[in-house]
Amino acid sequence: SQTIHQWPATLVQPVGSPLSLECTVEGTSNPNLYWYRQAAGRGLQLLFYSVGIGQISSEVPQNLSASRPQDRQFILSSKKLLLSDSGFYLCAWSVPERIYEQYFGPGTRLTVT
Amino acid sequence: KNEVEQSPQNLTAQEGEFITINCSYSVGISALHWLQQHPGGGIVSLFMLSSGKKKHGRLIATINIQEKHSSLHITASHPRDSAVYICAVNRYNQGGKLIFGQGTELSVKP
Repeated sequence: SQTIHQWPATLVQPVGSPLSLECTVEGTSNPNLYWYRQAAGRGLQLLFYSVGIGQISSEVPQNLSASRPQDRQFILSSKKLLLSDSGFYLCAWSVPERIYEQYFGPGTRLTVT
Repeated sequence: KNEVEQSPQNLTAQEGEFITINCSYSVGISALHWLQQHPGGGIVSLFMLSSGKKKHGRLIATINIQEKHSSLHITASHPRDSAVYICAVNRYNQGGKLIFGQGTELSVKP
């Protein structure tokens, strides 16, 4: 069966520090991968999606970047965190054959202080 | 104006009540999703709809494509149904990318 992992589960980082959040999927090949953010008091918003290794599309201009170094690994990064980067970050995956069926990871709660 | 609007934003019900959460959208869609988010933040997919009606246990989801409207119903509500319910859509020709509503926070009192 397929599973999706995210780590860390929670993170407190100072403004200006770097960030690396990791997402890995098991049990499937060539998944579509997504990073979403839920800022406090706001709805979920798509940040990045990837249809393959090294293929990243950005949905909103921001202080973050994403990379996909391996088929089932999706990384969200920042060189210098801003207060506005605080939020709940969710990774999700779908298979190309059933693109509308999306499965969410457990999420990472990031607090920038 | 958001492309996906939910109402109400907050809802308090007594155990046993019938609950309805509404979702309206303003774009052409390929599919609509109802998601459940518990206090810890984890999200579970409840339904994916492109037409008609689906039922799972005490949960029922309907969609009217012509009116661009969907409803999520919970029958015989229970305190364990307390969660945030989120409507999301796949915009037509945009693949798996989701656009989300703001969510409805439901609290069911015993």
